[in-house]
Amino acid sequence: QQQVKQSPQSLIVQKGGISIINCAYENTAFDYFPWYQQFPGKGPALLIAIRPDVSEKKEGRFTISFNKSAKQFSLHIMDSQPGDSATYFCATLNSGYSTLTFGKGTMLLVSP
Amino acid sequence: DAMVIQNPRYQVTQFGKPVTLSCSQTLNHNVMYWYQQKSSQAPKLLFHYYDKDFNNEADTPDNFQSRRPNTSFCFLDIRSPGLGDAAMYLCATSIQGHEQYFGPGTRLTVT
Repeated sequence: QQQVKQSPQSLIVQKGGISIINCAYENTAFDYFPWYQQFPGKGPALLIAIRPDVSEKKEGRFTISFNKSAKQFSLHIMDSQPGDSATYFCATLNSGYSTLTFGKGTMLLVSP
Repeated sequence: DAMVIQNPRYQVTQFGKPVTLSCSQTLNHNVMYWYQQKSSQAPKLLFHYYDKDFNNEADTPDNFQSRRPNTSFCFLDIRSPGLGDAAMYLCATSIQGHEQYFGPGTRLTVT
């Protein structure tokens, strides 16, 4: 049973455009929602994360929007650049435990 | 400056020949994790240590074992690698309840 549903599976965006990746979760016990960025042949790197006491968090060109009632959260990449081309994973965590639940990933390609 | 270090970065082993992958951390985090990641898939948790307490995922094959001799080091032992075990192996660390930091991974090839 997939506990975190991520969409789309792949995404092509033109340089300067907005990339949007969505995730939905089922377990209301989750209380930490990170996004990871992974380049080919590298380990995932923490990009940005949010806790459910806020509805939005922005760091540079990256923004997480969080909708607790809908159990959804999304990553927005503003002014997308070719260097943003990577696979993005959303994840969820119940901070009473140690383990993350990952979405299946979104492969983003930003065309020049 | 490296925080989570994995050695080797690339490992080639023969079918059935035991192999050990290593991970070390400079973050002094109390939780360490081993993940397996295959092409175009999300990382799959194999097991994790909360301090010295070992936690095995239910679907982790018995072929995979782990050791954590101290806070800084953790090892993944694959006792009899099969072709299906070829993958990227990722080590990660965290403080309980907080974000995980991943190492660069070890790419395992089984011939």
